[in-house]
Amino acid sequence: AQKITQTQPGMFVQEKEAVTLDCTYDTSDPSYGLFWYKQPSSGEMIFLIYQGSYDQQNATEGRYSLNFQKARKSANLVISASQLGDSAMYFCAMRETSGSRLTFGEGTQLTVNP
Amino acid sequence: GAGVSQSPSNKVTEKGKDVELRCDPISGHTALYWYRQRLGQGLEFLIYFQGNSAPDKSGLPSDRFSAERTGESVSTLTIQRTQQEDSAVYLCASSLVRTSGGTKQETQYFGPGTRLLVL
Repeated sequence: AQKITQTQPGMFVQEKEAVTLDCTYDTSDPSYGLFWYKQPSSGEMIFLIYQGSYDQQNATEGRYSLNFQKARKSANLVISASQLGDSAMYFCAMRETSGSRLTFGEGTQLTVNP
Repeated sequence: GAGVSQSPSNKVTEKGKDVELRCDPISGHTALYWYRQRLGQGLEFLIYFQGNSAPDKSGLPSDRFSAERTGESVSTLTIQRTQQEDSAVYLCASSLVRTSGGTKQETQYFGPGTRLLVL
């Protein structure tokens, strides 16, 4: 069985600072993908970044980067230079290559303060 | 291009009534997913369609839930005899499944969801 754990129900960060959102996972499948989604108050799930389990380098997408530590089974999201518009719920998710469904964590509510 | 669309955006119904939720995936996406999100929680997988393969229904919580998909286009999720615990946001996602070097590469793009309230 696969499981995603996000231990931070809420996080606060000052505008223009960096913030790290934690995610750990558990799977017995050697091949899997890790995803981060942003869900603003409007409710839509917005794809941010993807990391494959065999990728040699950490994924980056603009101000988003994924700190992938395979041995520790962690896939933390780093947001640099936070903006007020980054305030939202952030979900970490995993999909085993042998399957198709995404398994989501409980989410972290990020608030960016001016 | 157009993203995933869902209708209705909001639905209020009475306990015991049937409801039908619709999802229009991104054109050309072969895979379609339904998820449920209860208030303040993460997403729960419900069902998955991939091309002409038999759907993965393993996430459906009871036999009151069913879903259909016409080819690689529209999907409908039907909840019969709704209960108050069915109140949630129902999210649809579509994706284009690609395999590269033995690794499945797929990103799911979500619609805005349907907010269902059962009174």
